[in-house]
Amino acid sequence: EVQLVESGGGLVQPGGSLRLSCVGSGFSFSSYWMHWVRQVPGEGLVWVSRIDSDGSTISYADSVKGRFTISRDNAKNTLFLQMNSLRAEDTAVYYCARIETVSKTGSIDYWGQGTLVTVSS
Amino acid sequence: SYVLTQPPSVSVAPGETARIPCSGIHIGSKSVHWYQQKPGQAPGVVINYDDERPSGIPERFSGSNSGNTATLTISRVEAGDEADYYCQVWDYRSDHDVFGGGTKLIVL
Repeated sequence: EVQLVESGGGLVQPGGSLRLSCVGSGFSFSSYWMHWVRQVPGEGLVWVSRIDSDGSTISYADSVKGRFTISRDNAKNTLFLQMNSLRAEDTAVYYCARIETVSKTGSIDYWGQGTLVTVSS
Repeated sequence: SYVLTQPPSVSVAPGETARIPCSGIHIGSKSVHWYQQKPGQAPGVVINYDDERPSGIPERFSGSNSGNTATLTISRVEAGDEADYYCQVWDYRSDHDVFGGGTKLIVL
């Protein structure tokens, strides 16, 4: 069974940092492109970042570029999102998600349960 | 940046057909994926690549994409279809993924 389990969310002050992790199991983690997607409770989905299977091709939404860093450790089946210079508007549930093909244009076939990040003083 | 526009809500009576549009410039040249999200749950794909139905999705769900509008169609709507629906595309110009703002399907 495919599973994605996020961790690392919590309360952080504006300007602070947080590192999210997402452990994948039940599939060949190193073969899949992955996304981070966020959602303010009660609002819509917002794409954050994407990484290819070996970590060499990365893209970021304009709202997080320069502040967030996506990476992965395929030996540990883990996806990361390092979030620096956090702002109140980064408050959201963060989902890691698997792209169903080896292409960046594929749909998302599995999502984690999400981890809540709250940026507040 | 590329923008996808969806109506905030669509209302339909049980047994009728719901059509949820997703508008974007030349969206017909892109592959559109549709997701369903129920309260307290992560989203799940219901249509991918414009009109393909993943395994396990009822035949009542279908999709189309042409010109500047993609459409998710749900036939013979059931109470259990009440959810938020999101369209998604990959924009090749920016290499960004984009979600529409979401449409709440209300079953009357």
